[in-house]
Amino acid sequence: NSKVIQTPRYLVKGQGQKAKMRCIPEKGHPVVFWYQQNKNNEFKFLINFQNQEVLQQIDMTEKRFSAECPSNSPCSLEIQSSEAGDSALYLCASSLGTDTQYFGPGTRLLVL
Amino acid sequence: AQSVTQPDARVTVSEGASLQLRCKYSSSVTPYLFWYVQYPRQGLQLLLKYYSGDPVVQGVNGFEAEFSKSNSSFHLRKASVHWSDSAVYFCAVSLNTGNYKYVFGAGTRLKVIA
Repeated sequence: NSKVIQTPRYLVKGQGQKAKMRCIPEKGHPVVFWYQQNKNNEFKFLINFQNQEVLQQIDMTEKRFSAECPSNSPCSLEIQSSEAGDSALYLCASSLGTDTQYFGPGTRLLVL
Repeated sequence: AQSVTQPDARVTVSEGASLQLRCKYSSSVTPYLFWYVQYPRQGLQLLLKYYSGDPVVQGVNGFEAEFSKSNSSFHLRKASVHWSDSAVYFCAVSLNTGNYKYVFGAGTRLKVIA
């Protein structure tokens, strides 16, 4: 069973508001991923980190999304100005690297 | 670029019947292959994975999958389904180099009926 912790489980924001969610990866896992799963079950990779450094991020995350994974603190994903299209399940996963990803329960964001 | 196709959006089977969920991938090299299950309002749970070796891999709860390089497929099977298997099943692939991200299929929603 996965030991990835995500908070909060649910987040409701108005358009233009900031939305921030957190993730504690499994102990000892240096790689952390963020994915967005929309209502049609389509997954979009957003960003990943290895030991606090960004490995890759997509264009969307470079504009309104920001993320960090500081040492000894939870990782976080923040949407600076929420849009209706950001409503989705945000999944955090961690892994040893070239290995299986273990997922948290997700943060379900609703932008009104 | 990699891609994953799950051709069946919805599958309905009777309890106790056998199950096969299909997954085909496209990749220039053999990727790592995974099957996950997602229950309502939950994250993804790993069922099984394939890296190399025996093409038939065993997973949790009686699931197994068979890798076929010639068909670029990784189909999931179960001999006898239970009502609690009703969920959405995702096939995913990743490369063993680069940024390790997954590419997911569109998912297959399984409904088990009495």
